[in-house]
Amino acid sequence: DVKVTQSSRYLVKRTGEKVFLECVQDMDHENMFWYRQDPGLGLRLIYFSYDVKMKEKGDIPEGYSVSREKKERFSLILESASTNQTSMYLCASASQLNQPQHFGDGTRLSIL
Amino acid sequence: EDQVTQSPEALRLQEGESSSLNCSYTVSGLRGLFWYRQDPGKGPEFLFTLYSAGEEKEKERLKATLTKKESFLHITAPKPEDSATYLCAVQGINQGGKLIFGQGTELSVKP
Repeated sequence: DVKVTQSSRYLVKRTGEKVFLECVQDMDHENMFWYRQDPGLGLRLIYFSYDVKMKEKGDIPEGYSVSREKKERFSLILESASTNQTSMYLCASASQLNQPQHFGDGTRLSIL
Repeated sequence: EDQVTQSPEALRLQEGESSSLNCSYTVSGLRGLFWYRQDPGKGPEFLFTLYSAGEEKEKERLKATLTKKESFLHITAPKPEDSATYLCAVQGINQGGKLIFGQGTELSVKP
């Protein structure tokens, strides 16, 4: 079974802080994704990566950046956290772009 | 614009009462349609992928079907453990790896 592990289940940070969310997958998948999930808005894609050191913007990249230095690890960075970035953040991976994405259990991030 | 609409938003069933969830979509060239189950506080769990109209997939009490405009998730004789939010997502041929998700249907099955 695919396992996608997100480093924290819950995280509380202050506005203006730089925040790092980490995601690791154990299936040697090429593709990794970061989403946020908000009530009434559903899941929205922030960034994705189809190879090491490669990244593509999703629908809502503003205020975020990503890093993929190793195949198994994909990091989401909030450059200067703001309260409107309080959300559930979900990481996913897929072997190929047309294959199912497998999700981690999410990080519930609160920005105070 | 590519779009996914799920209905109903919420569905309450008695144990054993079969029903269907709907996912209507518009996409310029469908690469795949995906069904997920999400339990509270957890990430979505993959259920099915459908690639072409007429295709069907089954798993235990769940059966997913696909037409050119919509997909149905049929739940036969549901049990309380089937209670969850069911998410539908589509991927267009020009979208790279991007999935467009619907809002989900929250299913509650009472014993």
